[in-house]
Amino acid sequence: SAVISQKPSRDICQRGTSLTIQCQVDSQVTMMFWYRQQPGQSLTLIATANQGSEATYESGFVIDKFPISRPNLTFSTLTVSNMSPEDSSIYLCSVNRAPNEKLFFGSGTQLSVL
Amino acid sequence: SQQGEEDPQALSIQEGENATMNCSYKTSINNLQWYRQNSGRGLVHLILIRSNEREKHSGRLRVTLDTSKKSSSLLITASRAADTASYFCATGGEFQGAQKLVFGQGTRLTINP
Repeated sequence: SAVISQKPSRDICQRGTSLTIQCQVDSQVTMMFWYRQQPGQSLTLIATANQGSEATYESGFVIDKFPISRPNLTFSTLTVSNMSPEDSSIYLCSVNRAPNEKLFFGSGTQLSVL
Repeated sequence: SQQGEEDPQALSIQEGENATMNCSYKTSINNLQWYRQNSGRGLVHLILIRSNEREKHSGRLRVTLDTSKKSSSLLITASRAADTASYFCATGGEFQGAQKLVFGQGTRLTINP
């Protein structure tokens, strides 16, 4: 298993500002995943973060908008930059122990942009 | 686009009844997983069924997989109020050149006392 601490749990932000979300895992993992869940919707993968290399972004997501850091095997951050109301979502980090095996999730960050 | 389509989108039943949710997908998969999400927070993994398996049980959960029909079902027996949550299927396989999990739209389950 894996225990993931994600913070902040929620935030209300002003348009045009940026928010950095932190994700700490209790053990070393190779890959960490960042998901977005828009209101009433399913999860959409934003990017996969590998330690020591650039994150791999999914179609529709770009590094300038969602920069990701992965300084070591237990920690990652996702920044939502230059926010607009359309960025209001739940952001979730997750990890697994092997490709396509079960994911362990953080408790999520509920972001509201005014 | 999302790989998984789930139905129903919402389901409301009485406590003690069984709840069945279905998931259909489009491409070949390595496995299919079911997750629960309470109140829009982090997801909890429930069960994983591999492409060469047809049925799997875990407590009150029963999952079936029909790869010929590209569909799966999740049955929760003897439902409880605490089962109220959203349930998502996720298909594991190679999509767009990479191994990844793709989530379905989810079923919102409400258990009425």
